[in-house]
Amino acid sequence: SQQGEEDPQALSIQEGENATMNCSYKTSINNLQWYRQNSGRGLVHLILIRSNEREKHSGRLRVTLDTSKKSSSLLITASRAADTASYFCATAPPGGGQNFVFGPGTRLSVLP
Amino acid sequence: EAQVTQNPRYLITVTGKKLTVTCSQNMNHEYMSWYRQDPGLGLRQIYYSMNVEVTDKGDVPEGYKVSRKEKRNFPLILESPSPNQTSLYFCASSPWGSGGGYGYTFGSGTRLTVV
Repeated sequence: SQQGEEDPQALSIQEGENATMNCSYKTSINNLQWYRQNSGRGLVHLILIRSNEREKHSGRLRVTLDTSKKSSSLLITASRAADTASYFCATAPPGGGQNFVFGPGTRLSVLP
Repeated sequence: EAQVTQNPRYLITVTGKKLTVTCSQNMNHEYMSWYRQDPGLGLRQIYYSMNVEVTDKGDVPEGYKVSRKEKRNFPLILESPSPNQTSLYFCASSPWGSGGGYGYTFGSGTRLTVV
């Protein structure tokens, strides 16, 4: 069962611009996480936001969560060529389980 | 270095020939899981384990087996691989406890081709 759906599927921007990716989900969650994947490599955990949080920051990353709309956004500020990757949201079920459901991802290309 | 180690990185095999993909973590994590990644479908969970000798099915368990005899190891077994199991496989681990809130550490992946 696919929970998260990222939007857009692909995004192309210039270095220095901000990149925004969105994630929508269908059922209640304990937390939502964002991961980055470089070209067929393993996913890397970026940030986690709990269901009772609305916004979280980590370096150039800003994540928001709107549980009433069942949506989240990931903002990468001042993007760099090294940010080129696929980004996935993952939702954790209520009750604190670790069986995450991943969306299909957004492919971000940052052009020099 | 804290890591999840998968082997092999690449594997080409023939239909019906049993194979095992190994996964080992050095972080003393209770929770381990296998996912497969296919274009357009994202990551789908195959099996997971919350601790030694405790395993359960994910969303796409058909054709796969797992075991968790030791905390650090969680091998994925394909008893009779078929071409529709051609995919990129990831092992992941995390702590586990009430309330959740832990992210996964992923292995580097195993690209399996079944011909």
